[in-house]
Amino acid sequence: GQNIDQPTEMTATEGAIVQINCTYQTSGFNGLFWYQQHAGEAPTFLSYNVLDGLEEKGRFSSFLSRSKGYSYLLLKELQMKDSASYLCAVRGLTTDSWGKFQFGAGTQVVVTP
Amino acid sequence: ETGVTQSPTHLIKTRGQQVTLRCSSQSGHNTVSWYQQALGQGPQFIFQYYREEENGRGNFPPRFSGLQFPNYSSELNVNALELDDSALYLCASSMGIQGDEQYFGPGTRLTVT
Repeated sequence: GQNIDQPTEMTATEGAIVQINCTYQTSGFNGLFWYQQHAGEAPTFLSYNVLDGLEEKGRFSSFLSRSKGYSYLLLKELQMKDSASYLCAVRGLTTDSWGKFQFGAGTQVVVTP
Repeated sequence: ETGVTQSPTHLIKTRGQQVTLRCSSQSGHNTVSWYQQALGQGPQFIFQYYREEENGRGNFPPRFSGLQFPNYSSELNVNALELDDSALYLCASSMGIQGDEQYFGPGTRLTVT
């Protein structure tokens, strides 16, 4: 099975940087994904990592260390519209988890003026 | 390119009733996954359909069932509704079982009274 942990809530100031950590234990791993979800809306894809290292996409970057079962999402130059829940998800690899996404509970990021 | 659509948007049912939720996948996508998202939680995987066949199932009882049609649209059926079934039901489509990106629909908000 898979167990995914991420902080419940984080608060940061507009223009600042916030790092959301995600740790996971899994019997099979085939990618770690980050989604953004505004209240009452569907999750939208932000980034994913399959190999160790840093992936950068504009103001968002995601890092993965498979040996440590650890990832983080870095949000730079925070804007008020970044206030949302950020979901960490692991895609399975074993026979019974192939292609399935296991989501964490989400980290609510609150951006203040 | 048409995105993922779901119907209905909102639904209120009584305990013991049955419900059918519908999802149209994004153009060109042949895989649909269904998720249940309770308030304040991450999406929980229900099952996945690939080319009209169930391709994996999460920890949901048999009263949760589904279908995928030749045009890759999908239905989620829930029998004998319970109060705890109240949640946002999301479908996500992708190209293939290991599609790197899942695109979520806007969801159906189900309330069971």
